[in-house]
Amino acid sequence: SAVISQKPSRDICQRGTSLTIQCQVDSQVTMMFWYRQQPGQSLTLIATANQGSEATYESGFVIDKFPISRPNLTFSTLTVSNMSPEDSSIYLCSVGRTVSSYNEQFFGPGTRLTVL
Amino acid sequence: TQLLEQSPQFLSIQEGENLTVYCNSSSVFSSLQWYRQEPGEGPVLLVTVVTGGEVKKLKRLTFQFGDARKDSSLHITAAQPGDTGLYLCASRTYSSASKIIFGSGTRLSIRP
Repeated sequence: SAVISQKPSRDICQRGTSLTIQCQVDSQVTMMFWYRQQPGQSLTLIATANQGSEATYESGFVIDKFPISRPNLTFSTLTVSNMSPEDSSIYLCSVGRTVSSYNEQFFGPGTRLTVL
Repeated sequence: TQLLEQSPQFLSIQEGENLTVYCNSSSVFSSLQWYRQEPGEGPVLLVTVVTGGEVKKLKRLTFQFGDARKDSSLHITAAQPGDTGLYLCASRTYSSASKIIFGSGTRLSIRP
């Protein structure tokens, strides 16, 4: 497994502002992902954070709204830009590990964002 | 798009009762995972099943993978308040083997 920490753990922000969430892993990992979890719902993949290249975004998510950095194999950031109340969610960082032919993922504790 | 549907969406039962949660898809899974998420935390992996018909036990939890690898179930025996949480099935996508997508989730509440 991997120990994953996220900062901040929670924040309350004003609409129109931006927030950068940090994810730190205790070991080098190849696969790193960002998920969003809206209140009472399941997880939706935002993007795969690629080390040394641009992130790969899922349908419905764009780089201008959710810029991602991955400067090395243990760290990534997700920025939620020009926030609106609809961005209020839990944002989760995840790392993947390949075991035989399947992947397991481990998650950080999440960042609870409230946009007023 | 590969979708994972879970049922029931919500379940509230008395301590000591048994329950089963289901995960279904129209697509064949190469493998399937079950996670549990408690409030304020990220999901935690419970089990991975990879072979059609496979059954795995984790204390009072029994996980079964369907013979056709299109469905899975999680059965909890003698539920306890500590079992309360959001249960999520997950599988990797066909477009990228490195990504995992999650089911719609089952929120379980065990009343003392």
